Amino acid sequence: LAKTTQPISMDSYEGQEVNITCSHNNIATNDYITWYQQFPSQGPRFIIQGYKTKVTNEVASLFIPADRKSSTLSLPRVSLSDTAVYYCLVGETGRRALTFGSGTRLQVQP
Amino acid sequence: GAVVSQHPSRVICKSGTSVKIECRSLDFQATTMFWYRQFPKKSLMLMATSNEGSKATYEQGVEKDKFLINHASLTLSTLTVTSAHPEDSSFYICSAPPQGYNEQFFGPGTRLTVL
Repeated sequence: LAKTTQPISMDSYEGQEVNITCSHNNIATNDYITWYQQFPSQGPRFIIQGYKTKVTNEVASLFIPADRKSSTLSLPRVSLSDTAVYYCLVGETGRRALTFGSGTRLQVQP
Repeated sequence: GAVVSQHPSRVICKSGTSVKIECRSLDFQATTMFWYRQFPKKSLMLMATSNEGSKATYEQGVEKDKFLINHASLTLSTLTVTSAHPEDSSFYICSAPPQGYNEQFFGPGTRLTVL
């Protein structure tokens, strides 16, 4: 899987929009970009996946520029319950083992 | 979405004993499951790939004789930590990719504490 780089940590306040950017310069043509969320002492949970441009679901949006060398996870109006670690993964995910990077620890303050 | 369960959720054992952790796909069949280990404040590290009906594939540095994996059915994979030691204390997580999905579903994890 392509190596990814994301900020180690981010702080925000309730109600704000949070954008977490992930760099993946070596992304391959067949690679998707997938984001997972992990709360303490729980398994990761799928948030969103995309290949290009923009993807939106009920939880988040994913913005991918034309060169696909980076992506931005956007969380609208975060709440305290969004405090978690967010992992960006790049690859033909799904049927293969995942290589997790360090993730971004998001802390949402009241 | 698909559901993956793990049992037990937490276990405390004495050094030298063996511990079995179960990973089940509740509403789908999984010919492949993955086992990860996560130390406090660290990311998930892949330990092995569990294949139904065949031997597991272990990552470099993971002792196959210490971490026994058995994938006896299409819905169950087990990880047995043999002769556990305090350094094996960790959070063990399994995952499985259902057919038709391009993402994996993770179990809730098992917290192992070896005294």
